[in-house]
Amino acid sequence: SQQGEEDPQALSIQEGENATMNCSYKTSINNLQWYRQNSGRGLVHLILIRSNEREKHSGRLRVTLDTSKKSSSLLITASRAADTASYFCATDKTNAGKSTFGDGTTLTVKP
Amino acid sequence: GAVVSQHPSRVICKSGTSVKIECRSLDFQATTMFWYRQFPKQSLMLMATSNEGSKATYEQGVEKDKFLINHASLTLSTLTVTSAHPEDSSFYICSARDRTGTTEKLFFGSGTQLSVL
Repeated sequence: SQQGEEDPQALSIQEGENATMNCSYKTSINNLQWYRQNSGRGLVHLILIRSNEREKHSGRLRVTLDTSKKSSSLLITASRAADTASYFCATDKTNAGKSTFGDGTTLTVKP
Repeated sequence: GAVVSQHPSRVICKSGTSVKIECRSLDFQATTMFWYRQFPKQSLMLMATSNEGSKATYEQGVEKDKFLINHASLTLSTLTVTSAHPEDSSFYICSARDRTGTTEKLFFGSGTQLSVL
């Protein structure tokens, strides 16, 4: 079964608003990564956060990690219609690349 | 950035035939590649870990005789769906990790949509 659970399953917002997605996991991890997937396409890596880090930024993306709660959040600020996609978190327990993916959040940004 | 090429992007085949999907790392060497299966509106399910020069490691519940994986070189892994049936219809995605770098990032192919009639 998938380790990661994400919420919400679907999120619909207006362009310019912020979008927050959450991911929870069950076992200890080495790192957690967020990916984006456009419909019918492969995944694009967005950001990686290691277990000893609490927050990372990349452009309009902000990721937090709370290992005590086994949860992470992805914040997309000033959203654009082009941000419409599915977003997945993935946890890596061994640092060997064998990641377990969450269920994903489908984000729709309306122009 | 690193590029992973997956081919074909879409295949339609008759029940009982075999289908081969290729995953190539174009500008880096990948000792390990991963194969996933994804159903509509669902997450990626890891099927197997493909190791260069050795046998693949399959996840629980994945039939190794059904999904043949070959990782003959540092840049190529193939997944062959043997004797495909309609229930094998799915989106298959590969990923690879750059062995020469320090990044833990996975680079993904663009996926293959398999439809078995």
